[in-house]
Amino acid sequence: AQTVTQSQPEMSVQEAETVTLSCTYDTSESDYYLFWYKQPPSRQMILVIRQEAYKQQNATENRFSVNFQKAAKSFSLKISDSQLGDAAMYFCAYSKTPDQFYFGTGTSLTVIP
Amino acid sequence: GAVVSQHPSWVICKSGTSVKIECRSLDFQATTMFWYRQFPKQSLMLMATSNEGSKATYEQGVEKDKFLINHASLTLSTLTVTSAHPEDSSFYICSAPRQTDNSPLHFGNGTRLTVT
Repeated sequence: AQTVTQSQPEMSVQEAETVTLSCTYDTSESDYYLFWYKQPPSRQMILVIRQEAYKQQNATENRFSVNFQKAAKSFSLKISDSQLGDAAMYFCAYSKTPDQFYFGTGTSLTVIP
Repeated sequence: GAVVSQHPSWVICKSGTSVKIECRSLDFQATTMFWYRQFPKQSLMLMATSNEGSKATYEQGVEKDKFLINHASLTLSTLTVTSAHPEDSSFYICSAPRQTDNSPLHFGNGTRLTVT
């Protein structure tokens, strides 16, 4: 089975600052998808950003961007201009096919006003 | 808007009773749905894969007789926790892949189950 590792159980950031959440994964595949999901206190899982492995360009969604290093099997999430509403659990996820989906253990992000 | 609906969002039941949780895909057909269990401050643990028209596939360690899954149609999967006990209290969340948009999983809002 694939493994997804998030080595930072907890992170904190000052409001308006930038924070980077780390994620590494293990796979022998060349084509796959990577995702970051956000789970706020409501516990709704919200897709933040996705990356196709065959694309070299890093995905960006407004204040959220990723640093995808395929050779290193690294997929970090950068949150710029952090806002109080960004406080949540963040899960990194790997998927080869829709029925094969693996989550990391999560990083709890605190935003300090 | 939400593409996967899960109901109820919370339920309290007595030990020994059964509880049914529904998961519906709202604007797409889902031949496969996933059921997860999540403990506080932990990741999602895949319990089983619900397959329309065939038996569910359970992950190792998950009791299939306790957690009954029925994929009744292309838009509905149900999870029934039978003879519930306090240790079954948890957050249960379903998801379904919508094949057309490369976003493999859309999640329901989850169900918080408390067994007294």
